[in-house]
Amino acid sequence: GAVVSQHPSRVICKSGTSVKIECRSLDFQATTMFWYRQFPKQSLMLMATSNEGSKATYEQGVEKDKFLINHASLTLSTLTVTSAHPEDSSFYICSARGGRGEFTDTQYFGPGTRLTVL
Amino acid sequence: GQNIDQPTEMTATEGAIVQINCTYQTSGFNGLFWYQQHAGEAPTFLSYNVLDGLEEKGRFSSFLSRSKGYSYLLLKELQMKDSASYLCAVRGNNRLAFGKGNQVVVIP
Repeated sequence: GAVVSQHPSRVICKSGTSVKIECRSLDFQATTMFWYRQFPKQSLMLMATSNEGSKATYEQGVEKDKFLINHASLTLSTLTVTSAHPEDSSFYICSARGGRGEFTDTQYFGPGTRLTVL
Repeated sequence: GQNIDQPTEMTATEGAIVQINCTYQTSGFNGLFWYQQHAGEAPTFLSYNVLDGLEEKGRFSSFLSRSKGYSYLLLKELQMKDSASYLCAVRGNNRLAFGKGNQVVVIP
């Protein structure tokens, strides 16, 4: 299957700071990338969908000014949590879907980033 | 919107067969996925169904009935490493929505 990497895997930060999470598709070109958040024992909740070179589409209730998403290339998307607060502590997972071939229809997930805001 | 329902937890014995059901409601259906997620890790892709019927992949099989809004994942010859949460995800109108997952606990 396709490989999606995410960095960092774990981050602890102070309240008020900004955190950037990178998501890369390593062996395919991802025309669409997705960012999810998962709280303990909860389902994955889609935060936003981004297509390369265009603005991200945010789900209802997700603040676009707080969760900045950049999809600058076909292999890289970044999520920046600005002015993080303890309630933003969660497991953030990116997912990528390719434009053709075997990767077209399937979303492959990165390993996730555990964010803890103190 | 999308609505996905899965049972929450089940326990099964090593070597047994277990079936995990998923019912869904969505508009613009364009595929149903099953993922496996171990605690603290991201989901890993197991199977994809877009047409009715059974897809078999080694010890795992997935079935889809679009008219009934129903799918199941069948796990055969259960192994201890199969203890995980199994997520049903439905793509509708180009959005992939997840169920809460079914926690399978495999015991010796």
